[in-house]
Amino acid sequence: EAGVVQSPRYKIIEKKQPVAFWCNPISGHNTLYWYLQNLGQGPELLIRYENEEAVDDSQLPKDRFSAERLKGVDSTLKIQPAELGDSAVYLCASSSGPRSTGELFFGEGSRLTVL
Amino acid sequence: AQSVTQLDSQVPVFEEAPVELRCNYSSSVSVYLFWYVQYPNQGLQLLLKYLSGSTLVKSINGFEAEFNKSQTSFHLRKPSVHISDTAEYFCAVSGYRSSASKIIFGSGTRLSIRP
Repeated sequence: EAGVVQSPRYKIIEKKQPVAFWCNPISGHNTLYWYLQNLGQGPELLIRYENEEAVDDSQLPKDRFSAERLKGVDSTLKIQPAELGDSAVYLCASSSGPRSTGELFFGEGSRLTVL
Repeated sequence: AQSVTQLDSQVPVFEEAPVELRCNYSSSVSVYLFWYVQYPNQGLQLLLKYLSGSTLVKSINGFEAEFNKSQTSFHLRKPSVHISDTAEYFCAVSGYRSSASKIIFGSGTRLSIRP
């Protein structure tokens, strides 16, 4: 069974440029998460989807960040424009549902460097 | 609300020595507790979890953790570490019956094994 797939693995951009990250969750997983992981810190939730609906986006900086999951399968996270402080690893995870009691399946992450 | 504290950002140990990675949590409700592991250049993966029942839980690769409600701790231990255990370990907590989206991660402990 394929795991959570993310791309790109690495991205280097200049500040004020846009960037997008893509995630394909495990087949059959209705719940999809985007996490932010800063260096030396644990993951912090940005947004959670149940199928195509964003049910928790309270931590997503909506002035520059956006996300979509149009068909309830794969998802895209966008930053426009990027700032120096956005340099981090963006993690995608999926689970079998909102009551999965904590087993999240993570992708390898997309490491963003903003110059 | 819940929070997690991992006091040790790095733990160096010699191969075949025992190790303990400390985790303390705070919560006003009963909790589920987790340890996730992140091997170099890989995504996070669930190592073990406590949901209910026996307070001692074990992983398939020799790690164990004990839920101590009175000390609000969930320390991770292994009696004899191997080079392959080199990774970052994240303790995480969610409130009892909360959805997986409410998982709060600690800042991580980097375990480095010396030959």
